[in-house]
Amino acid sequence: KAGVTQTPRYLIKTRGQQVTLSCSPISGHRSVSWYQQTPGQGLQFLFEYFSETQRNKGNFPGRFSGRQFSNSRSEMNVSTLELGDSALYLCASSLEPAGGIYEQYFGPGTRLTVT
Amino acid sequence: AQSVTQLDSQVPVFEEAPVELRCNYSSSVSVYLFWYVQYPNQGLQLLLKYLSGSTLVKGINGFEAEFNKSQTSFHLRKPSVHISDTAEYFCAVTNTGNQFYFGTGTSLTVIP
Repeated sequence: KAGVTQTPRYLIKTRGQQVTLSCSPISGHRSVSWYQQTPGQGLQFLFEYFSETQRNKGNFPGRFSGRQFSNSRSEMNVSTLELGDSALYLCASSLEPAGGIYEQYFGPGTRLTVT
Repeated sequence: AQSVTQLDSQVPVFEEAPVELRCNYSSSVSVYLFWYVQYPNQGLQLLLKYLSGSTLVKGINGFEAEFNKSQTSFHLRKPSVHISDTAEYFCAVTNTGNQFYFGTGTSLTVIP
C-alpha cells in the first residue's frame, strides 16, 4: 500500500496570507490527524477527523481549520498567517480503532515558512 | 487529559554503547504507549508500542521498551547503538486511539 502523502512538501508564504495543505491517508484508513511540529515544542495536536467529522481538536486558534472528504483525504487551512506559524505540519492516518488501538502512520510533512 | 515528558532533549552516546531514552507520562486512566523515530526531513516511523500484556516490548532496529505502571514510565533502550540510530525520538500516549499526546522529543546523536 502507498503511504500517507502530503502536498506540497515545501511552502513559503507571507504574513497575512492563507494556506491550504493536503493529506491523502493510507487506503482504508478513515482517521486523519494533523500535528504542528516546531523545535522545542515537539508535536502539538491540531485536530482529528473521521468520516468527514472533526472528532477531536487541540488548543489552536480558530485560524486553523480542517476538513475531510468522503474519500478520507483531508485538508487543513491556516488563515491570516503569522510568523509563528512557521513549522512542519504532519498528517497521520490510522484505522478506526473499533475494539482496539492502532498506531498512527505519518506522512513526510509540509514545511511551511512564513516571511 | 494525558501528558508526556521526555526529560532529555539531547543524548550523545558513543557507537556500540548502550542507550536509554526516558519517557514519563501522566494520566488518570489506562493508556497505550508508543515510541516513534524521525529521521531528518522525514515523517515519524513507529518503533514499538505497548497495548497490553508483557511489559517488555521489543521493536524494530533492536530497540525495546519497558512499561512501568507504578513509575508511569516507558523508557526506550538499545544495548548497542549504531551511527544510523542518530535521529529524533518521540514518546506518545493515548487512551482513546484517536487523540495522541507526544513528548517534545529526544535528539539521539551517535558519536563514531
